[in-house]
Amino acid sequence: QQQVKQSPQSLIVQKGGISIINCAYENTAFDYFPWYQQFPGKGPALLIAIRPDVSEKKEGRFTISFNKSAKQFSLHIMDSQPGDSATYFCAASNQGGSEKLVFGKGTKLTVNP
Amino acid sequence: NAGVTQTPKFQVLKTGQSMTLQCAQDMNHEYMSWYRQDPGMGLRLIHYSVGAGITDQGEVPNGYNVSRSTTEDFPLRLLSAAPSQTSVYFCASSLYPSRDGDYEQYFGPGTRLTVT
Repeated sequence: QQQVKQSPQSLIVQKGGISIINCAYENTAFDYFPWYQQFPGKGPALLIAIRPDVSEKKEGRFTISFNKSAKQFSLHIMDSQPGDSATYFCAASNQGGSEKLVFGKGTKLTVNP
Repeated sequence: NAGVTQTPKFQVLKTGQSMTLQCAQDMNHEYMSWYRQDPGMGLRLIHYSVGAGITDQGEVPNGYNVSRSTTEDFPLRLLSAAPSQTSVYFCASSLYPSRDGDYEQYFGPGTRLTVT
């Protein structure tokens, strides 16, 4: 049973465009929703995270939108750059923090120059 | 700080061999975990530890053992390697999570394991 469903599997965006990656979850006990960015040959790194008491969190060009009633959250990358080309993972946890994270299957983002 | 270090970077095993993947962190983090990453599967939690002497199973623990004798080290043991364990293995650490704050999980660079 996949607890966090991520889409799309791959995404191609032109430089300057908006990249949108969506995730849906089933466990209503989840209370921590991070996004991780992974470059080839490297370990994932935390990009941005949100808790369900807010509907949106923005850090620079990266924004998480959270819809508690729909059990969905999404990552928006504004003004996408070739350097943003990476694999992005959404995740969720019900332990209050990063313990026992459940990850989505990932989205490979390619930003064309 | 070196952060989270993993050795080796690459390893090839034959079916039935055993080995230990090493993981160390120098950030005094209580929480450490092991994930495996397979194409199209994301990262799946194998085992985790909330402190020295305490370990627990994650989503895919079969075929793997762990121990946590110190805060710094969290080795992963494959007792009898199988081709299904071919994967990239990541170790991660963080401060113990709290509902009052976001504790980032720091990942190591990974170990690419091939079992033939």
